[in-house]
Amino acid sequence: AQKVTQAQTEISVVEKEDVTLDCVYETRDTTYYLFWYKQPPSGELVFLIRRNSFDEQNEISGRYSWNFQKSTSSFNFTITASQVVDSAVYFCALSATYNTDKLIFGTGTRLQVFP
Amino acid sequence: DVKVTQSSRYLVKRTGEKVFLECVQDMDHENMFWYRQDPGLGLRLIYFSYDVKMKEKGDIPEGYSVSREKKERFSLILESASTNQTSMYLCASSVTGALNYGYTFGSGTRLTVV
Repeated sequence: AQKVTQAQTEISVVEKEDVTLDCVYETRDTTYYLFWYKQPPSGELVFLIRRNSFDEQNEISGRYSWNFQKSTSSFNFTITASQVVDSAVYFCALSATYNTDKLIFGTGTRLQVFP
Repeated sequence: DVKVTQSSRYLVKRTGEKVFLECVQDMDHENMFWYRQDPGLGLRLIYFSYDVKMKEKGDIPEGYSVSREKKERFSLILESASTNQTSMYLCASSVTGALNYGYTFGSGTRLTVV
């Protein structure tokens, strides 16, 4: 069965600290996609990144970076020098090749960044 | 700017009422989805639709039904609302077979059943 686990329910940091959000997934498929979404207080989930299973290169986008490791089935998300505007719920999600249009979401990690 | 629009941001209904949650997308997406979001449980799929008049059950369809008469509109129906259906409901859409950006989400409807 496919599953996404975000073990961290809530994380609190002070502004400018670095923070890593963990995501561990389970799938038997060899081809799949992984996603991260941000849900700010407004409620709408916003796409952050997609990664396919054949691309294990880490990615950096400004203060955001993602570490994809197939050996440990993890797709972790790091925010460098966190800011108050980063406060949100972050979701990791997995798609499957047999049904690439359906996403399986983790339970989310609530990040609070204090000034 | 492409959008998924949910008709109500907040809704309060009484137990036993029939409730309609509406979702409209303007991107000509084939796929539409309804999720509910609860603390500690994340997003759980209720129903989804790959095409007009097509629907498939998700993980938690009990107590819900859906309607997709037009490509752009996907309605979630609570046949007889109960207090355990108090939740945040999120609608999403996507292009078939092209998960470049995953889903586009609406802002959600927070439903309270009293």
